[in-house]
Amino acid sequence: GPKVLQIPSHQIIDMGQMVTLNCDPVSNHLYFYWYKQILGQQMEFLVNFYNGKVMEKSKLFKDQFSVERPDGSYFTLKIQPTALEDSAVYFCASSLYGGLSYEQYFGPGTRLTVL
Amino acid sequence: GDSVTQTEGQVTVSESKSLIINCTYSATSIAYPNLFWYVRYPGEGLQLLLKVITAGQKGSSRGFEATYNKETTSFHLQKASVQESDSAVYYCALSSTNSGTYQRFGTGTKLQVVP
Repeated sequence: GPKVLQIPSHQIIDMGQMVTLNCDPVSNHLYFYWYKQILGQQMEFLVNFYNGKVMEKSKLFKDQFSVERPDGSYFTLKIQPTALEDSAVYFCASSLYGGLSYEQYFGPGTRLTVL
Repeated sequence: GDSVTQTEGQVTVSESKSLIINCTYSATSIAYPNLFWYVRYPGEGLQLLLKVITAGQKGSSRGFEATYNKETTSFHLQKASVQESDSAVYYCALSSTNSGTYQRFGTGTKLQVVP
C-alpha cells in the first residue's frame, strides 16, 4: 500500500541546536500531519498542514516549531532551538482528504534525542 | 476533552487462542465520533486496521473485528484465533469535530503471540 517515509530514523542533537525532521508523504496526498509520542505516553497531535498553511495546531506545537513543504518536496518539522523535553518519536502522516473519516497514512517515525 | 482509554501495556496470548483488547472512548464535542484501530508492526508506520463511523456497526479486517457500541462507549478489538504474525502494537483512536481532522490515540497495547 501507500507508504510515508521519514528521514532520519534517529537523530541525536545537543540542546539548543536546530533540527529538521523530514517526511516524504504519499504522492497525491493533500493533508499532512505531525504527531509526537514521548516514551510510554500517547501519541499526541502537533499540527496539520494543507495548501501551504497550518490549519490546526495543538498546545504542544510551541513557538520553536515550524512546518513547511516547499514546492511539493519533503514535509518538514523544524525545531529551533531544541529543548530536552523535545526528546520523543515524531510521526508524520498524510491523507488525501481532510474529513473526519479519512484514513491517515503514517510513517515509521523519527526518534529525536536531545542531550 | 475527547479521549481514548485502552488496555495498557502488553498482552500475551498463545497462538490460536482468542484475543480481546479493550477500548473505551469519551467524546465531549460530538455524540458519535469516528472510531479506528491502527496497528504498528516492528519497524513500520501505523497502518489502519479497521474503522467504523456509524454507531452500532461492526468493522472487520484480517480476522479482527470491533463493534461501535454507543451505550457502553466501547470499541473493543477481538480476534477468534491469533497467529504469531499478529504480534504488534495496536492503537485505538477517535476523530471528532473537537479534534478537527486529526485523531486522538490511546496509549497502545503490545500484543505478543507465543507458540
